Amino acid sequence: EPEVTQTPSHQVTQMGQEVILRCVPISNHLYFYWYRQILGQKVEFLVSFYNNEISEKSEIFDDQFSVERPDGSNFTLKIRSTKLEDSAMYFCASSEDRLSYEQYFGPGTRLTVT
Amino acid sequence: RKEVEQDPGPFNVPEGATVAFNCTYSNSASQSFFWYRQDCRKEPKLLMSVYSSGNEDGRFTAQLNRASQYISLLIRDSKLSDSATYLCAGHTGGFKTIFGAGTRLFVKA
Repeated sequence: EPEVTQTPSHQVTQMGQEVILRCVPISNHLYFYWYRQILGQKVEFLVSFYNNEISEKSEIFDDQFSVERPDGSNFTLKIRSTKLEDSAMYFCASSEDRLSYEQYFGPGTRLTVT
Repeated sequence: RKEVEQDPGPFNVPEGATVAFNCTYSNSASQSFFWYRQDCRKEPKLLMSVYSSGNEDGRFTAQLNRASQYISLLIRDSKLSDSATYLCAGHTGGFKTIFGAGTRLFVKA
């Protein structure tokens, strides 16, 4: 069964450093998403991406965040200058089409900012 | 009011019991709804979509009530393996999905 993959599974970084989280969505999916989940809290929408551009973003997704689909398979989330409060689990998701909106999540990257 | 609201629980039920969760949403423009299951420190896994006509998948039944703006999930004949956090989610006509905080279920032997 096809699945969304994410690397790394755990990233530790120092405050102020840049991090790039990587995702490989399911191959025939067209819509891509990033979410975050701070420990013990709910899953929060960050950004959606379709046709090589951002479709929608939340207020969390400020200028420190960016997304890119550098090739036909990878989808990345970059945080330019990490803060302590960026520590969270980051999930990538993809969906096949807009009609169903059914999203399939990757296993997540745990980001720890020290 | 939160966009998607759930009773956090926990719900503690014995094996074989029937348990029901409700979820309310505030955005009447929300078009699609889903139930996800999340195990501890794992990713959400899609359980089922929710339709106005209802949706059943084995022991799981989901319903949508647009007039009252709530969705429900019914689990029959609970198994130990059903222990998890159940997330409801609503999708607007755009590209944004809003999750509830989840309802924790513990099924005991």
